[in-house]
Amino acid sequence: DAGVIQSPRHEVTEMGQEVTLRCKPISGHNSLFWYRQTMMRGLELLIYFNNNVPIDDSGMPEDRFSAKMPNASFSTLKIQPSEPRDSAVYFCASSLAGTGSGGGYTFGSGTRLTVV
Amino acid sequence: GIQVEQSPPDLILQEGANSTLRCNFSDSVNNLQWFHQNPWGQLINLFYIPSGTKQNGRLSATTVATERYSLLYISSSQTTDSGVYFCAVHSGGGADGLTFGKGTHLIIQP
Repeated sequence: DAGVIQSPRHEVTEMGQEVTLRCKPISGHNSLFWYRQTMMRGLELLIYFNNNVPIDDSGMPEDRFSAKMPNASFSTLKIQPSEPRDSAVYFCASSLAGTGSGGGYTFGSGTRLTVV
Repeated sequence: GIQVEQSPPDLILQEGANSTLRCNFSDSVNNLQWFHQNPWGQLINLFYIPSGTKQNGRLSATTVATERYSLLYISSSQTTDSGVYFCAVHSGGGADGLTFGKGTHLIIQP
């Protein structure tokens, strides 16, 4: 198994540009999570999906952020327009989980986003 | 929401030493996991342990759910154990979006 695959690994973009981050979860996992990591705020849950359905997007900071999961093997996180304060490492994780049944997370390698 | 406190925030040890990392949480949980973030930024799942005790090589973890804490033990530390150790929890029903603590930054010196 190749694990959770994220792309790109690094992204440098100018303020105001659209940014799209991609994630391929582990085959068979039914939950997918997007996290953001910064020095100031640590690891924050942005949104998660269960069986491709968004369950909780209360962590999405603003309307500039949107996430989709069109099928079980692909998810995107889009920022439009991007701002310097969006600079962070964005992680995707997947797990085999249900209502309270848990299941260990597997994280991708992350996308380091820099908005200048 | 649920609060997660980890201690100590920083720990510097010599190779070969043992260590105990603590995680306190403010509510009952149905999911608790320990992660290691290595110096290259990769997050590795160590344990899924909402209750009880587990061991994996030199690492072991214990969660006492009734007292709302979990401990991660590292024995015979190696330099490759350096990094940040995170505790993450979920409380309540629904799919398991975890809340992370701020982590313990561990440095193992040769």
